[in-house]
Amino acid sequence: DSGVTQTPKHLITATGQRVTLRCSPRSGDLSVYWYQQSLDQGLQFLIQYYNGEERAKGNILERFSAQQFPDLHSELNLSSLELGDSALYFCASSVDGPDTQYFGPGTRLTVL
Amino acid sequence: AQSVTQLGSHVSVSEGALVLLRCNYSSSVPPYLFWYVQYPNQGLQLLLKYTSAATLVKGINGFEAEFKKSETSFHLTKPSAHMSDAAEYFCAVSSNFGNEKLTFGTGTRLTIIP
Repeated sequence: DSGVTQTPKHLITATGQRVTLRCSPRSGDLSVYWYQQSLDQGLQFLIQYYNGEERAKGNILERFSAQQFPDLHSELNLSSLELGDSALYFCASSVDGPDTQYFGPGTRLTVL
Repeated sequence: AQSVTQLGSHVSVSEGALVLLRCNYSSSVPPYLFWYVQYPNQGLQLLLKYTSAATLVKGINGFEAEFKKSETSFHLTKPSAHMSDAAEYFCAVSSNFGNEKLTFGTGTRLTIIP
């Protein structure tokens, strides 16, 4: 158990819908990262938050957004969902800097 | 920009044989290098990391990796494979200097033959 929790574990929805994925980092970790894992794209970095502020952006679509709240939990919002958004979404956390990132169990999103 | 290349998307070894998973990196700044393992339907677990200290890094479950700057490599090895090592292995790179995100390789699926 990494100490990072993600909910829900599975999510099945339809095209055009909007979903919210939730992540709680390890106690004391200030950085939260979101990654997408799909068969065709592999593991890709989406976005990083540090202590409530956006710190880095990767290959995140405009239909996707994220935020980190004062209690340091983070949410990833995916809207106008398409079939190609079906993937595993991982959250990771770290204390700061490029040190070890601890990964949550992931949320498997299926868009039908 | 940083990148990693994992040679061999699938590797099969016999139980008790040497495991060697290859990773080459590209980075314009001193890299931090990681190996993660993913078991079916699970998240990623850190095996080991290199952060500019000792070049030979020992990790969990008997795995180790050696950072070779001249070869830009960070290959993962284990002297004797166990059935429980069957999983997918990812090499990743990050760095300091405001580039903390992990850039992953495409992964290597390790199969252990009884």
